[in-house]
Amino acid sequence: QVQLVQSGAEVKKPGASVKVSCKASGYTFTTYGFSWVRQAPGQGLEWMGWINTYNGYTNYAQKFQGTVTMTTDTSTSTAYMELRTLRSDDTAVYYCARGGDTNPMDYWGQGTLVTVSS
Amino acid sequence: DIQMTQSPSSLSASVGDRVTITCRASQGISIYLTWFQQKPGKAPKSLIYAASSLQSGVPSKFSGSGSGTDFTLTISSLQPEDFATYYCQQYYSYPRTFGGGTKVE
Repeated sequence: QVQLVQSGAEVKKPGASVKVSCKASGYTFTTYGFSWVRQAPGQGLEWMGWINTYNGYTNYAQKFQGTVTMTTDTSTSTAYMELRTLRSDDTAVYYCARGGDTNPMDYWGQGTLVTVSS
Repeated sequence: DIQMTQSPSSLSASVGDRVTITCRASQGISIYLTWFQQKPGKAPKSLIYAASSLQSGVPSKFSGSGSGTDFTLTISSLQPEDFATYYCQQYYSYPRTFGGGTKVE
């Protein structure tokens, strides 16, 4: 069965970077891209971007251009999302989701809480 | 960017009720719409894709309809496990965008 398992919670200081991982299993990794979505406390869902696992092509939301980098490691079936220059309003749960390009998002990781605090 | 507007933002319902949630896109998105259910502290779960196709394993009490700009999610008979927040999301164009959510309580 398809499973997406994300890395654990992180606490970071303002200005730092965070890298969240999402390990996939149960299907052929390169047949689906990955989306990253975040949710601030008590708020709705916010799309951050998408990566093609076959060729590494990315599409980022304008808001995150220059501060986010999405990558994949096909040898370990893992997707990564790095967010730099963290601010307090980046405190959120970050989710990976399979799909999101021509395929809709279907399976989601359990979420990773990133807390940014001095 | 395509704006997705859900209504209502919250609704009060009882077990056994038929519940309808609407989602309107600011421009036509064909049928490239997904509905998600999210319970507190949990990841979203896909219910419907391509506006009306039921995701594998999702009970048939959930149904979706619409195309172009207007869409609906219907729960035919609300059960205790259906109290949650529901989001629509378009995958017609980038950036992908979500509706603001509808809390069913």
